[in-house]
Amino acid sequence: DIQMTQSPSSVSASVGDRVTITCRASQGISSWLAWYQQKPGRAPELLIYAASSLQSGVPSRFSGSVSGTDFTLTISSLQAEDFATYYCQQANSFPLTFGGGTKVEIK
Amino acid sequence: EVQLLESGGGLVQPGGSLRLSCAASGFTFSSYAMNWVRQAPGKGLEWVSGIIGSGGSTYYADSVRGRFTISRDNSKNTVYLQVNSLRAEDTAVYYCAKALSSSWQFDYWGQGTLVTVSS
Repeated sequence: DIQMTQSPSSVSASVGDRVTITCRASQGISSWLAWYQQKPGRAPELLIYAASSLQSGVPSRFSGSVSGTDFTLTISSLQAEDFATYYCQQANSFPLTFGGGTKVEIK
Repeated sequence: EVQLLESGGGLVQPGGSLRLSCAASGFTFSSYAMNWVRQAPGKGLEWVSGIIGSGGSTYYADSVRGRFTISRDNSKNTVYLQVNSLRAEDTAVYYCAKALSSSWQFDYWGQGTLVTVSS
């Protein structure tokens, strides 16, 4: 199985800050990676697919990148509505696997 | 507008069974793979099972293989998850999720249905 190691597990940040979340795959997954945002009591929402493609309707302050097996989600200027938990997910092979999540909290 | 509406969750004793349903609308259902993803209370996301648009291929997490069965009825725009031999560790919110075209990344999710396994 492909393991997805996500870091950090939590981050405290202020409105306007740049936030970076990383996911490392245990083996090559090409660009088959998605990022999701989940708010308490709500279903996850797709932010980024194929490592760097912005899902329709998602603000452009969210971006994704890849270098080898390291994937990065960047929020360029954190907004109040961005405080949530973020998950990566590999879609290269079964079983599909998620990272452990990163909780973005208010500093 | 894409909508996914899960139902069928509830309280069940260890060893029991349930059938979860997810009714879909707003897209050509038979053209897309569908999935079930679960989230135990206070925990992260765990992919459970997936099925391609025709229903001809199914996939499972090791933790549920042999106990859970995914199926779909394209005439009813509905995907199902039959969950048998339930254990306490199966307690979770179960989400139905639609896959992107030609990819197992999920662009739409239902609101979830809670399965609680307890005596």
